[in-house]
Amino acid sequence: KQEVTQIPAALSVPEGENLVLNCSFTDSAIYNLQWFRQDPGKGLTSLLLIQSSQREQTSGRLNASLDKSSGRSTLYIAASQPGDSATYLCAVRQFTNAGKSTFGDGTTLTVKP
Amino acid sequence: NAGVTQTPKFQVLKTGQSMTLQCAQDMNHNSMYWYRQDPGMGLRLIYYSASEGTTDKGEVPNGYNVSRLNKREFSLRLESAAPSQTSVYFCASSRGQGGTDTQYFGPGTRLTVL
Repeated sequence: KQEVTQIPAALSVPEGENLVLNCSFTDSAIYNLQWFRQDPGKGLTSLLLIQSSQREQTSGRLNASLDKSSGRSTLYIAASQPGDSATYLCAVRQFTNAGKSTFGDGTTLTVKP
Repeated sequence: NAGVTQTPKFQVLKTGQSMTLQCAQDMNHNSMYWYRQDPGMGLRLIYYSASEGTTDKGEVPNGYNVSRLNKREFSLRLESAAPSQTSVYFCASSRGQGGTDTQYFGPGTRLTVL
């Protein structure tokens, strides 16, 4: 059974700092990995989707990398802003039952002005 | 585009009552999903539908039924609500039939079962 872990559970940084969020998974036979952002009381917003054949994806100040062999993905946020404060979740899809995603519990990020 | 919409936003039920959570998407997506989110347990898939007319069980289907009414709508029914079903329920959709691409989520329904 696939297990997805995100460490740390919470992170607090000063505005302007570059930071890395981590996601690890136990079964490397994945189809893709997706990073989401969730604001309090809201739904999930997709940030980046990395296919298994890709090493990284970039969108603005965000860069996500994928290393299937080690079962790890990172989300890099450059020049963090208070508006980046949210919970960040990663989700992986297996080759088998690709319609079903396994989510991590998320990292809650606070960016202090 | 409204994206993925869910109704109601909040609901309080008594044990044993039934209700249906509604979900609709206007993106012409093939795949739709129902998740529940609980503290310390993350998001867990209840049911998903890869295309109109098909449904498949997820990780936690017991106590729930679903209907893919048409390509736009996917409803989740609780026949006899239990306190263990207190949760936040999210509907999502994605374009492909295999469900392998980006998922788009609705705002959620916060359900309390007393």
